Amino acid sequence: DVKVTQSSRYLVKRTGEKVFLECVQDMDHENMFWYRQDPGLGLRLIYFSYDVKMKEKGDIPEGYSVSREKKERFSLILESASTNQTSMYLCASSLGGAGFSNSPLHFGNGTRLTVT
Amino acid sequence: DQQVKQNSPSLSVQEGRISILNCDYTNSMFDYFLWYKKYPAEGPTFLISISSIKDKNEDGRFTVFLNKSAKHLSLHIVPSQPGDSAVYFCAASGLSGANNLFFGTGTRLTVIP
Repeated sequence: DVKVTQSSRYLVKRTGEKVFLECVQDMDHENMFWYRQDPGLGLRLIYFSYDVKMKEKGDIPEGYSVSREKKERFSLILESASTNQTSMYLCASSLGGAGFSNSPLHFGNGTRLTVT
Repeated sequence: DQQVKQNSPSLSVQEGRISILNCDYTNSMFDYFLWYKKYPAEGPTFLISISSIKDKNEDGRFTVFLNKSAKHLSLHIVPSQPGDSAVYFCAASGLSGANNLFFGTGTRLTVIP
């Protein structure tokens, strides 16, 4: 079974802090993703990576950056956290294109980030 | 603007009856559709998908129907079980297999024993 592990379940940070959210997958998947989930807005893609050191912007990349130095690890960075970044953050991985049924997204359990 | 919409935030159904969850989309370039299920404190898990070349896909108790002309899809669960109580997200992608999935806002299904 694919395991996607997010380093923190809950995180509380102050406005202006630099925040790192870490994600590790154990199935040698090529693609990794960061989503945020907000009430009434569903899941929105922040960034994804299709290979080490490669990244693509999703729908809402503003205020975020990512790092993928190793295949199994994908980090989301909030350079200067703001209160509107309070959300549930979900990391996911997939073997191939996320739209195929034979390579669906495998999600971690999420990190609930609160910025005060 | 939300390209994938789930207009019912919640749905309650008696155990053993049919659950029908609906999803509408606006982008005619979408050609692959997926449903994910999410339990509290867990990440979403893949449930079932359908390609735009089909109008129905079935997997056990779960069937997804696609009406391309109406830009509408639905997930049918028959019979519904208490363990099906979860939030269901509809998702769509264009250029089959593309990595940018567009998710709906989710429908919370409660199956009453």
